[in-house]
Amino acid sequence: NAGVMQNPRHLVRRRGQEARLRCSPMKGHSHVYWYRQLPEEGLKFMVYLQKENIIDESGMPKERFSAEFPKEGPSILRIQQVVRGDSAAYFCASSPGSGRLETQYFGPGTRLLVL
Amino acid sequence: DQQVKQNSPSLSVQEGRISILNCDYTNSMFDYFLWYKKYPAEGPTFLISISSIKDKNEDGRFTVFLNKSAKHLSLHIVPSQPGDSAVYFCAAFRTGANNLFFGTGTRLTVIP
Repeated sequence: NAGVMQNPRHLVRRRGQEARLRCSPMKGHSHVYWYRQLPEEGLKFMVYLQKENIIDESGMPKERFSAEFPKEGPSILRIQQVVRGDSAAYFCASSPGSGRLETQYFGPGTRLLVL
Repeated sequence: DQQVKQNSPSLSVQEGRISILNCDYTNSMFDYFLWYKKYPAEGPTFLISISSIKDKNEDGRFTVFLNKSAKHLSLHIVPSQPGDSAVYFCAAFRTGANNLFFGTGTRLTVIP
């Protein structure tokens, strides 16, 4: 049973470019969460999705950031017109169906570096 | 607003001794607490959890204690092993919410 998969593991972008981060949840998990970890900080919640639905995006910056979890394929976190402050580790987590939201299993993360 | 706090950024312990990692929270609505272990360049790995209806949960060398009145929990690792060296994150969850709230982590170094 493969764990949560994220790709790419490392991503380098120049200011103004777009970053696209992918996450495939564990088999049987229908809930996906995105977290961001800035240097020397803990993980901060960004967005919670189920298939084809954004359930909670209260932690997502209002501009330039978007997320989706289509019926087929991985969840995608998209950052448009990246700035240096977007440099961070972005972690995806997944959990089983409702009632088990508290135990989230994390992927290895995507480390984004904006030059 | 840091609702989960780990005030010790680092801890060094001799192999074979007990490691005690501490965590405080401010939101009394949290009803589930977790500890994650994280190695460099990897994602956090779930270690152990505790519901607010309990005050202790044990799994092998790892025990988590919860003191609700003090809004404090701790992770005990005994005996500590060099492979336990990692960053440990405390996280909290509130039923009805959608996300975990994380502390800033404690870097544990177990000295052989």
